[in-house]
Amino acid sequence: AQSVTQPDIHITVSEGASLELRCNYSYGATPYLFWYVQSPGQGLQLLLKYFSGDTLVQGIKGFEAEFKRSQSSFNLRKPSVHWSDAAEYFCAVGAGGTSYGKLTFGQGTILTVHP
Amino acid sequence: DTGVSQDPRHKITKRGQNVTFRCDPISEHNRLYWYRQTLGQGPEFLTYFQNEAQLEKSRLLSDRFSAERPKGSFSTLEIQRTEQGDSAMYLCASSRRQGYQETQYFGPGTRLLVL
Repeated sequence: AQSVTQPDIHITVSEGASLELRCNYSYGATPYLFWYVQSPGQGLQLLLKYFSGDTLVQGIKGFEAEFKRSQSSFNLRKPSVHWSDAAEYFCAVGAGGTSYGKLTFGQGTILTVHP
Repeated sequence: DTGVSQDPRHKITKRGQNVTFRCDPISEHNRLYWYRQTLGQGPEFLTYFQNEAQLEKSRLLSDRFSAERPKGSFSTLEIQRTEQGDSAMYLCASSRRQGYQETQYFGPGTRLLVL
């Protein structure tokens, strides 16, 4: 069974500082990996995705993530955080291959940005 | 593309009542998913449709829950005899598989409160 662990429940950074949110996954085959962001009371917005190829993927809003198979990780990064980035971030793994794409999500990381 | 829409956005009901939620996917997306998200947790998979066929249901989906997708377009999720434990955000997502790649796009969710 697939699973996702986001070790940090809550992270606080200052505006302009760099950010790294951790994600570790467990999946027996080639994983499809996603990061979504959720503002309070809202649905999920896709930030970026990894299917194959280049292990460093770029997303919207200046985010990027790096897939490291040896570490089973897919950490999200941003070089300079803006106050509007404050939200909850979810990492998710989907089944690759021919099966359907049910997503398994981590518990989420709440990001607080101090001015 | 217009995004995934869900109706209603909020629902307050009394224990024992029936409720029905609607999801309209992105046009031409043939796959539709329902997830449930409780406070402080990531979304959990409930059920999945490919066109009008319901192909998988999670064990989370008790007999009180039923979902339909007539004609492979919009979908409804009904909860009968609601319980306080059903209080959650219900998220709908749609996708269209391209090769082995599939990206789910989420709606804004329906927040249910059972009193």
